[in-house]
Amino acid sequence: QVQLVESGGGVVQPGRSLRLSCVASGFTFSTYAMHWVRQAPGKGLEWVAVISYDGTNEHYVDSVKGRFTIFRDNSKNTLYLQMNSLRAEDTAVYYCTRETIGTAKNDYWGQGTLVTVS
Amino acid sequence: DFVMTQSPDSLAVSLGERATINCKSSQSVLYSSDNKNYLAWFQHKPGHPPKLLIYWASTRESGVPDRFSGSGSGTDFTLTISSLQAEDVAVYYCQQYYFTRTFGQGTKVEIK
Repeated sequence: QVQLVESGGGVVQPGRSLRLSCVASGFTFSTYAMHWVRQAPGKGLEWVAVISYDGTNEHYVDSVKGRFTIFRDNSKNTLYLQMNSLRAEDTAVYYCTRETIGTAKNDYWGQGTLVTVS
Repeated sequence: DFVMTQSPDSLAVSLGERATINCKSSQSVLYSSDNKNYLAWFQHKPGHPPKLLIYWASTRESGVPDRFSGSGSGTDFTLTISSLQAEDVAVYYCQQYYFTRTFGQGTKVEIK
């Protein structure tokens, strides 16, 4: 069965860095584009970033451009989000989600990992 | 950039009654090459990841009860829960996936 498991969240001071990981299983990871989506406390869902199946293309929401980097290691079935220059407003639960081939829907999601910038 | 606007922000519906949520996109999400609307609906409950309900504006995801339905095209869309059940209490989001992703602000559905 498809599984996405995030890790790497925690409490970090403003201006510091953190790297999130998302380990995928149950599907051919290297053929799927992958996304990060976050939810700040008491707020709605916000899309953060996407990376193509082969890692050659990335897009980011404006608020994280130049600070966050999405990348992947297909040999390890792992998606990453490198977060630098963290701000209080980056505090959120971060979810990884896959984009299905053909339909482009985000069908499977991880359980999320909490990042607190304080 | 896409802006997705949902209405209302919250609604309270009696058990067994109909709930209707609207979503308006600042740009069309209808892709001309395949004539499909790149619009999805998600259900989100506290402590859980979002759950995909509807994609391509009106296609129900596998396993989703048929009381959930989606309609609309271009820039205006609707999610309908035909007969509200207790387990449907959640926040519902529309999402455009025409280009990257953008979510609406969410609609909280409660029992009256």
